[in-house]
Amino acid sequence: AQKVTQAQTEISVVEKEDVTLDCVYETRDTTYYLFWYKQPPSGELVFLIRRNSFDEQNEISGRYSWNFQKSTSSFNFTITASQVVDSAVYFCALSEALSYNTDKLIFGTGTRLQVFP
Amino acid sequence: DAGVTQSPTHLIKTRGQQVTLRCSPKSGHDTVSWYQQALGQGPQFIFQYYEEEERQRGNFPDRFSGHQFPNYSSELNVNALLLGDSALYLCASSPRGEGSNQPQHFGDGTRLSIL
Repeated sequence: AQKVTQAQTEISVVEKEDVTLDCVYETRDTTYYLFWYKQPPSGELVFLIRRNSFDEQNEISGRYSWNFQKSTSSFNFTITASQVVDSAVYFCALSEALSYNTDKLIFGTGTRLQVFP
Repeated sequence: DAGVTQSPTHLIKTRGQQVTLRCSPKSGHDTVSWYQQALGQGPQFIFQYYEEEERQRGNFPDRFSGHQFPNYSSELNVNALLLGDSALYLCASSPRGEGSNQPQHFGDGTRLSIL
């Protein structure tokens, strides 16, 4: 069965703190994709990153970085020097290979991040 | 370049009624997926359309149906509305022709309230 677990329901930090959002996934497949999305209060899900199961290199994009570890089935997301504008709900999602006729996303329950000035 | 657009933004219905939600995909995208997001939860996959066909369906009853048009736009229909259908309905589009599992781009959603 495919499943995504985001154990942290809500995190509160003060501006300029670093924060890590955890994501643990389950899948039987060897080929899969992992995603992070941001959902601000407006409701729209904003794509942040896609990672395939064969690429375990960590990635950095500005203040954002992602740590993918297949050995622990985790795909954690770190925001460095957090800002108030980072306040949102963050979702981790899993998608199996398109060969299964669809690339539906399986989402975790999300982590609400509040950054206080 | 317009992103994914959904209409209406908000909708209020009563139990037993029927509703149609609409979605126009991002320019260049040919695949449309629909998700239901209950308050405080992650989005749940309803179904995905590609080449005007339903490709896969999530764990939703037959009251939920959809359609994709030749211009790639899509509709989600829900019949016999229940209180539990109150949620944010998100449409997402992606370019299947560009390879596997391309990022899905989401619209702002339609917030459906059932009284």
